[in-house]
Amino acid sequence: DTGVSQNPRHKITKRGQNVTFRCDPISEHNRLYWYRQTLGQGPEFLTYFQNEAQLEKSRLLSDRFSAERPKGSFSTLEIQRTEQGDSAMYLCASSFGRGLQETQYFGPGTRLLVL
Amino acid sequence: AQTVTQSQPEMSVQEAETVTLSCTYDTSENNYYLFWYKQPPSRQMILVIRQEAYKQQNATENRFSVNFQKAAKSFSLKISDSQLGDTAMYFCAFMNYGQNFVFGPGTRLSVLP
Repeated sequence: DTGVSQNPRHKITKRGQNVTFRCDPISEHNRLYWYRQTLGQGPEFLTYFQNEAQLEKSRLLSDRFSAERPKGSFSTLEIQRTEQGDSAMYLCASSFGRGLQETQYFGPGTRLLVL
Repeated sequence: AQTVTQSQPEMSVQEAETVTLSCTYDTSENNYYLFWYKQPPSRQMILVIRQEAYKQQNATENRFSVNFQKAAKSFSLKISDSQLGDTAMYFCAFMNYGQNFVFGPGTRLSVLP
């Protein structure tokens, strides 16, 4: 399967714990995006990388959130001191980032539940 | 800031009939992309169709076509010969060349047998 993959698919944690999610983009894609989606809503942009550089961060990304893409391939999204309001689906997408290939391809998401 | 509006939270259509989902957006830019994504229940989001703003011709993909009205900032999706597998949330999305990607709130489409 050469699509975008995300792990884990589901995560249940207690409030105050730290969690980390991983995204593996399509191999030739240089851009990687993170989104948050709550039930019944469209995805909200969090951040994106061009290769290993984090080029934009939404104001939704509080200081408890950090994302990395150290070698320009996979990316991790960490949430520290989780809160119940962090419960959501976290989506990753990748794109080739040139002209008609700007289309983002989405992974299956990681569903987070904070108790 | 760009915004995307989908004024129909829910719609239904009989199998084999045609349905149109509406989308409007707000931007001051001249060059951008527009997309329709489909998210079936408990499944991942997939691209349905895309349109580059500089193209006047409306995009088509098999049973899916768009009506892109740049001046009116309107980007509707028409689904012809609706199938049960078309049941999903449909999101309209906007992206400018600066990589700002904004989704609308979605329209839940139910195709009825």
